[in-house]
Amino acid sequence: AQSVAQPEDQVNVAEGNPLTVKCTYSVSGNPYLFWYVQYPNRGLQFLLKYITGDNLVKGSYGFEAEFNKSQTSFHLKKPSALVSDSALYFCAVRDGTGGYNKLIFGAGTRLAVHP
Amino acid sequence: EAQVTQNPRYLITVTGKKLTVTCSQNMNHEYMSWYRQDPGLGLRQIYYSMNVEATDKGDVPEGYKVSRKEKRNFPLILESPSPNQTSLYFCASSLDRKNTEAFFGQGTRLTVV
Repeated sequence: AQSVAQPEDQVNVAEGNPLTVKCTYSVSGNPYLFWYVQYPNRGLQFLLKYITGDNLVKGSYGFEAEFNKSQTSFHLKKPSALVSDSALYFCAVRDGTGGYNKLIFGAGTRLAVHP
Repeated sequence: EAQVTQNPRYLITVTGKKLTVTCSQNMNHEYMSWYRQDPGLGLRQIYYSMNVEATDKGDVPEGYKVSRKEKRNFPLILESPSPNQTSLYFCASSLDRKNTEAFFGQGTRLTVV
């Protein structure tokens, strides 16, 4: 079965420092991977996705993610964190079994960026 | 503006009192789904719909019903809510079952007492 793991409940980083939010996955077949962000009292917003092609994927708000097939990882990164990046981040993998589209989400990682 | 709209945003109800959470999208998307979000569990799919009159169970369908009579609307029905259905609910839509970028509503926080 497809699954996603986000090993950190919370990540703390100082403003201006680089940030990494970790995600590992387990899929059969080619992985379709996603990152979503949830700001307080808001729905999930799409950040970026990996379907095929370059292992480094660029997304919204200066975020990028690196797909590593050998390590089955899809870590989210940003070179310089902002306080406004503080939010809940979800990694997800598409489950295409049965011919329908479902997203399998990780438990989420709360990112706290301190001034 | 392209959006998924859920109502209500907040709801407190009593055990056993039927309720409906509405979801509407204005993007002419075929695929819609409902998720519930619980701490430490991420989002789990309740039901999904591939098009009008085509719905099916997700991972946690017990205690829920859905309908898809029109393409834009996908209401979530709790016939007899119980406290274990206290959660944050999200409706999502995507263009079709192959296009996997999903758009989410703002969420409905439901409390069942």
